[in-house]
Amino acid sequence: DAGITQSPRHKVTETGTPVTLRCHQTENHRYMYWYRQDPGHGLRLIHYSYGVKDTDKGEVSDGYSVSRSKTEDFLLTLESATSSQTSVYFCAISRDEAYEQYFGPGTRLTVT
Amino acid sequence: AQSVTQLDSHVSVSEGTPVLLRCNYSSSYSPSLFWYVQHPNKGLQLLLKYTSAATLVKGINGFEAEFKKSETSFHLTKPSAHMSDAAEYFCVVSDRVDNFNKFYFGSGTKLNVKP
Repeated sequence: DAGITQSPRHKVTETGTPVTLRCHQTENHRYMYWYRQDPGHGLRLIHYSYGVKDTDKGEVSDGYSVSRSKTEDFLLTLESATSSQTSVYFCAISRDEAYEQYFGPGTRLTVT
Repeated sequence: AQSVTQLDSHVSVSEGTPVLLRCNYSSSYSPSLFWYVQHPNKGLQLLLKYTSAATLVKGINGFEAEFKKSETSFHLTKPSAHMSDAAEYFCVVSDRVDNFNKFYFGSGTKLNVKP
């Protein structure tokens, strides 16, 4: 398995609170991605990073921000969590944007 | 617009019988195509990929897929299903949008394998 960990693996939080999810890789891959998975939607891209301090928005970026201060870490922050952000969040990495992506184990987030 | 359509949301087969999971795509140019598998409460695992080499691609666990450009299809097959194949399968197309290779995920096909 690719060396990707996500923390926490499960979180329950209240509406309006900030939440930060962490993705850590040991593969030294340049590209990192955050997706959310919801029933019937497959995976949808939230944000991605193509290097340290280089990030861009995906298709469902509203309400989310990201930061990448080191190659190995990519943080996803929900500024003020809402119930619609209840989902399973996956981090992925790839050596290059055209290459296959490898996925972490996921974080199940519940916003009450 | 780029899209991926997995034609069946659920497929049920008996152990030992063939598996066919169907995927059609639309793309603006010659895409890369992937199949991923997700077991319950797990992340996605790469099964196989097509990147403009041989049109018949072999993957892990006995799965294979054939790229048919004329039909814009990339169906996943396995000659003989095993109980451990029960999972959700995602077809993915990588296409270039705004100078970035974006992954487009199908909505998934859940494979049930009956004893």
